Amino acid sequence: GAGVSQSPSNKVTEKGKDVELRCDPISGHTALYWYRQRLGQGLEFLIYFQGNSAPDKSGLPSDRFSAERTGESVSTLTIQRTQQEDSAVYLCASSLVGGVTGELFFGEGSRLTVL
Amino acid sequence: QQQVKQSPQSLIVQKGGISIINCAYENTAFDYFPWYQQFPGKGPALLIAIRPDVSEKKEGRFTISFNKSAKQFSLHIMDSQPGDSATYFCAASWKAAGNKLTFGGGTRVLVKP
Repeated sequence: GAGVSQSPSNKVTEKGKDVELRCDPISGHTALYWYRQRLGQGLEFLIYFQGNSAPDKSGLPSDRFSAERTGESVSTLTIQRTQQEDSAVYLCASSLVGGVTGELFFGEGSRLTVL
Repeated sequence: QQQVKQSPQSLIVQKGGISIINCAYENTAFDYFPWYQQFPGKGPALLIAIRPDVSEKKEGRFTISFNKSAKQFSLHIMDSQPGDSATYFCAASWKAAGNKLTFGGGTRVLVKP
């Protein structure tokens, strides 16, 4: 498809388990972002990848959270030893850094529920 | 320095009325101010955006007003329609930070027919 694709769309896990969330950005987009959206709240920045530069990890809430990106393609967000407060929708976005508009294109998100 | 504050949290307007959402920011390095619209179960999508060299931008029924000295910007939805019922987020970014967006807390708008 032409848009940002995220999987799984829904994930239910037990407290203490590890989860992996995947993001396929729009082809050709050099920048990729992960955000977290708790129920009824705004979007919290987690991490940003741009090309081969070191990622901006300034938004990761704890060392249980990590993310990787392979070149300018797929990214995986990993949450280790999940806690109930990790329950949220995790949104991925991509953009053409250096583009005129600076627009971020979002996927539909992965809804994580930690029991 | 990174915060963007948005108000109100929710808004109910009659069809045909005007919806007004306000945002304030602290970081004077911000140089791009978009508004995103989000429907339930969907990711946010860009609605309209402005840069600080202009004070107003209009696209159809949507207008951004920007006050650089007050560090405030607002979204006006004219002739509100039931299809406009959604959550709206203001945001801000600057190029040197790779267009990383800092979002406001969101405003849930309900347009009653």
